[in-house]
Amino acid sequence: DGGITQSPKYLFRKEGQNVTLSCEQNLNHDAMYWYRQDPGQGLRLIYYSQIVNDFQKGDIAEGYSVSREKKESFPLTVTSAQKNPTAFYLCASRVAGTGELFFGEGSRLTVL
Amino acid sequence: QKEVEQDPGPLSVPEGAIVSLNCTYSNSAFQYFMWYRQYSRKGPELLMYTYSSGNKEDGRFTAQVDKSSKYISLFIRDSQPSDSATYLCAMATSGTYKYIFGTGTRLKVLA
Repeated sequence: DGGITQSPKYLFRKEGQNVTLSCEQNLNHDAMYWYRQDPGQGLRLIYYSQIVNDFQKGDIAEGYSVSREKKESFPLTVTSAQKNPTAFYLCASRVAGTGELFFGEGSRLTVL
Repeated sequence: QKEVEQDPGPLSVPEGAIVSLNCTYSNSAFQYFMWYRQYSRKGPELLMYTYSSGNKEDGRFTAQVDKSSKYISLFIRDSQPSDSATYLCAMATSGTYKYIFGTGTRLKVLA
């Protein structure tokens, strides 16, 4: 089945550690996005990529990094520089030529 | 002023009721309008997608876009307890494809 797979679903991290969240899609979408969701707030854009080997910072990129070496994959690294990393992280991809945006199931990161 | 405003609810309705969910926005350049349903601890599921203005119907769901009033709506007919979730509106301009999301409305359909 086509879709967006995020892993892991739940992740615990100690302060000071970097962690990488995986996002893989088999929808052949060019554009991919990472969002952060906190209670009572709308989704906030961390990074997005329109094409392989290219990505742009979103509204809250500080403390995060990404890569886009393959069309199917857009991993997000939450670094120790991110001050408040505990959140629900959502990966999305967009249908070419339309505005339709599809999401994965999310990864919940908890910093202990 | 936020670019997108959405009443957080919660909105409680009896089973079988018609539900009306709304968002207002300020950017007249928005062209893509979406409604998502999100269950607790899950990713948002795309329910309705509309380009530009007008109405769209899919089963029990109807999406309306009124660009003159900068107002979008989602109607759910014959609501079911399984419709209990948070509903997010989202919109974007063509070209930038930068999406702006509402904060979501929590809906409870009581059996």
